[in-house]
Amino acid sequence: NAGVTQTPKFRVLKTGQSMTLLCAQDMNHEYMYWYRQDPGMGLRLIHYSVGEGTTAKGEVPDGYNVSRLKKQNFLLGLESAAPSQTSVYFCASSYPPDTEAFFGQGTRLTVV
Amino acid sequence: AQSVTQLDSQVPVFEEAPVELRCNYSSSVSVYLFWYVQYPNQGLQLLLKYLSGSTLVESINGFEAEFNKSQTSFHLRKPSVHISDTAEYFCAVQFEGSQGNLIFGKGTKLSVKP
Repeated sequence: NAGVTQTPKFRVLKTGQSMTLLCAQDMNHEYMYWYRQDPGMGLRLIHYSVGEGTTAKGEVPDGYNVSRLKKQNFLLGLESAAPSQTSVYFCASSYPPDTEAFFGQGTRLTVV
Repeated sequence: AQSVTQLDSQVPVFEEAPVELRCNYSSSVSVYLFWYVQYPNQGLQLLLKYLSGSTLVESINGFEAEFNKSQTSFHLRKPSVHISDTAEYFCAVQFEGSQGNLIFGKGTKLSVKP
């Protein structure tokens, strides 16, 4: 039982490049989330999904897109990376929503 | 507006001393409350949670937190800290109707010195 797994763990992008972050969970959770963590800012919600085929915007969605084609996977895409997207990205899942969220180990992204 | 405030960004303390990390929230709806801990270069781990029932909740490693509805607080306490408690602690609140979304405080870095 791996829990929530994020790939890759580290990545350096040049401004304007695109990439996809993958989140996979093996707990059969309905709800999945993408957060970003910046120093002194805590974690802020980017997008979330309440089930396969659904997505919704969080607090800071601009510059990101997501897809939930399979229940166990939640993808976060950056179409044209910007230095402001340098951050640590965390994926989380939960079921039902009023219980704890389980977090992945994070992806450290640097955009130069 | 719904918000979560952690009043202290850094808390230095000596080993075996007591510590309190403060968390306040603003809400007009019911809430679920969580404390997460993040060790250096790691993800977030749940420390303890309040969903319902007893307002005093405890973790397996000696931390406790008390939900105070009238003061809209969920402060984290430990009577005697260890070096290994050095980490960043995040208070998180799930507001009723938010579809599981967590609003995080900005975090408190606890530094335990020998």
